[in-house]
Amino acid sequence: TQLLEQSPQFLSIQEGENLTVYCNSSSVFSSLQWYRQEPGEGPVLLVTVVTGGEVKKLKRLTFQFGDARKDSSLHITAAQPGDTGLYLCAGVANSGYALNFGKGTSLLVTP
Amino acid sequence: DAGVIQSPRHEVTEMGQEVTLRCKPISGHNSLFWYRQTMMRGLELLIYFNNNVPIDDSGMPEDRFSAKMPNASFSTLKIQPSEPRDSAVYFCASSLTGGGNTEAFFGQGTRLTVV
Repeated sequence: TQLLEQSPQFLSIQEGENLTVYCNSSSVFSSLQWYRQEPGEGPVLLVTVVTGGEVKKLKRLTFQFGDARKDSSLHITAAQPGDTGLYLCAGVANSGYALNFGKGTSLLVTP
Repeated sequence: DAGVIQSPRHEVTEMGQEVTLRCKPISGHNSLFWYRQTMMRGLELLIYFNNNVPIDDSGMPEDRFSAKMPNASFSTLKIQPSEPRDSAVYFCASSLTGGGNTEAFFGQGTRLTVV
């Protein structure tokens, strides 16, 4: 059973387009993280959201944590080829420290 | 900072053989995680240690899998005997947990192929 569901699974867009990817769960998380993974590498943390309703911006990336702390979204404005990669959301349940990951959204941005 | 170091990067072995994957976490980190990544199942948590003690091994698929952390700077994941369905990329990650921090730092992974 996948604790975190991510959508879409695959996304192919052209440079300059905007996009949003989603991370949903029926469970409440004390915090939620977004990671980016490039081929042949491990995931690297982009951001952590902790408070329900929280919005964080990282240059052209905007992250939002749902009010009920069960879901999150990542919006990319004016995507660039360098944004290509696998975007993973990960959550820590209210007990413990282990991260549970979604399957990820594989993003391809073409010039 | 060298980051999390995993070895080997690639391993090809025959079905039935024993496989040992190694991990050196970031110095000072108190938690260590082993994950397995496949296209079908994504990134699955196998086991995690806190202060060298296994806390949750419910993700370990079968008795063929075992993990140890004899000290704060080294951990192993062993598969004996290996099977073709064990083929995947295995990641080790470490973290300094506590005070609400959960950021995990990943190694580059070991790509295991069992033929």
